[in-house]
Amino acid sequence: VEVVESGGGLVQPGRSLRLSCRTSGFIFGDYAVNWVRQAPGKGLEWVGFIRYRGYGGTTEYAASVEGRFTISRDDSKGIADLQMNSLRSEDTAVYYCARARNFGHIGLMDYWGRGTLVTVSS
Amino acid sequence: IVLTQSPATLSLSPGERATLSCRASRSVASNCLAWFQHKPGQAPRLLIYGASNRATDIPDRFSGSVSGTDFTLTITRLEPEDSAMYYCQQYAKSPGTFGLGTKVEI
Repeated sequence: VEVVESGGGLVQPGRSLRLSCRTSGFIFGDYAVNWVRQAPGKGLEWVGFIRYRGYGGTTEYAASVEGRFTISRDDSKGIADLQMNSLRSEDTAVYYCARARNFGHIGLMDYWGRGTLVTVSS
Repeated sequence: IVLTQSPATLSLSPGERATLSCRASRSVASNCLAWFQHKPGQAPRLLIYGASNRATDIPDRFSGSVSGTDFTLTITRLEPEDSAMYYCQQYAKSPGTFGLGTKVEI
């Protein structure tokens, strides 16, 4: 199982950025995907998730990003994306993607990537 | 669901036992609570799920237990490589909240 995030970088406040989560080694379509972030010097914060197709592929988000962030998935490529709009300085963080087994409500995150750094600054 | 972890920091010697606490503000359905180990620059690692089930390839030095809304991660025979942040997280409801973490120093 491999999970690799990409797309991070420096972006100005109010602009957009799209992160990608590329996976391999398992049947991507059978799993949910969660995004989690860690701001500098802080703990882990759940961002949102997308269900697997069998559960409708629907999404849910943390209140702090609702309406600004969108998670999508392409099961044929084993990729999940995080589209981030109207970025704020408080969105500065390392963003992690995690495969999630279909347990509980948001899924059990059993394999994670190493993360990609997003810095929102003028 | 708010998860309160204690202590914030735990400083122990090799071979000792670490006891980490995670208290939930209300009942966690089906004990959908996990523990993660996180080292700087690395991917978080799943240790325990369902409150007491060890994840794949996790040594039996790591164990989880639950009593009501109180969850515990115990690490026996501490090794220097166990130095890390440890987070509890509930996946029973959205949002999927994390505790603030316990830093274990060996």
